[in-house]
Amino acid sequence: EAQVTQNPRYLITVTGKKLTVTCSQNMNHEYMSWYRQDPGLGLRQIYYSMNVEVTDKGDVPEGYKVSRKEKRNFPLILESPSPNQTSLYFCASSSGLLAYGYTFGSGTRLTVV
Amino acid sequence: AQKITQTQPGMFVQEKEAVTLDCTYDTSDQSYGLFWYKQPSSGEMIFLIYQGSYDEQNATEGRYSLNFQKARKSANLVISASQLGDSAMYFCAMREGINNQGGKLIFGQGTELSVKP
Repeated sequence: EAQVTQNPRYLITVTGKKLTVTCSQNMNHEYMSWYRQDPGLGLRQIYYSMNVEVTDKGDVPEGYKVSRKEKRNFPLILESPSPNQTSLYFCASSSGLLAYGYTFGSGTRLTVV
Repeated sequence: AQKITQTQPGMFVQEKEAVTLDCTYDTSDQSYGLFWYKQPSSGEMIFLIYQGSYDEQNATEGRYSLNFQKARKSANLVISASQLGDSAMYFCAMREGINNQGGKLIFGQGTELSVKP
């Protein structure tokens, strides 16, 4: 089954404790993105990648890092999480064709206390 | 600037009736794609339907259809024969091109649909 797998689904952590949210897709997609969803602010792009070793900032990159060492994986790293990073996070992947939207992972609900 | 506007924060519909969710967009690109996603209370984002800017016919996918009016820059979602399982948040989104931040999706604020039995 074609899918984007995100882990964990839920995470509660403390301020400053480094964490990684994993994302893997099995569709051989070149394009991958991370979004965060906040009430009243909608979904905003954090980082994106257009292929292996090619990553760039989205609209809200502060406090996040990503890497793309393999085509299928695109982890999101929070080096020193803060409470304002409490959010619902989505990983998504897409082929390069405009006709394709993004396939989303199931989401990670992160709470930083 | 690229923008998606959904003016209905919440909508109610009776089961088995049709409902239209509004979406207008703003872009200066000639080539773009319009999408609708469903987000149930469990949180995942589910792709519903796609319309390309050059498509002359309105898209349809089962009970979902997209009323695309290019001159008005509107892309309304029509759900026919509503079911209780249609209760969810619905997002309209636009994708312009790969050169725009890897072809990112720009989302509207969403419309919460509640289907009454």
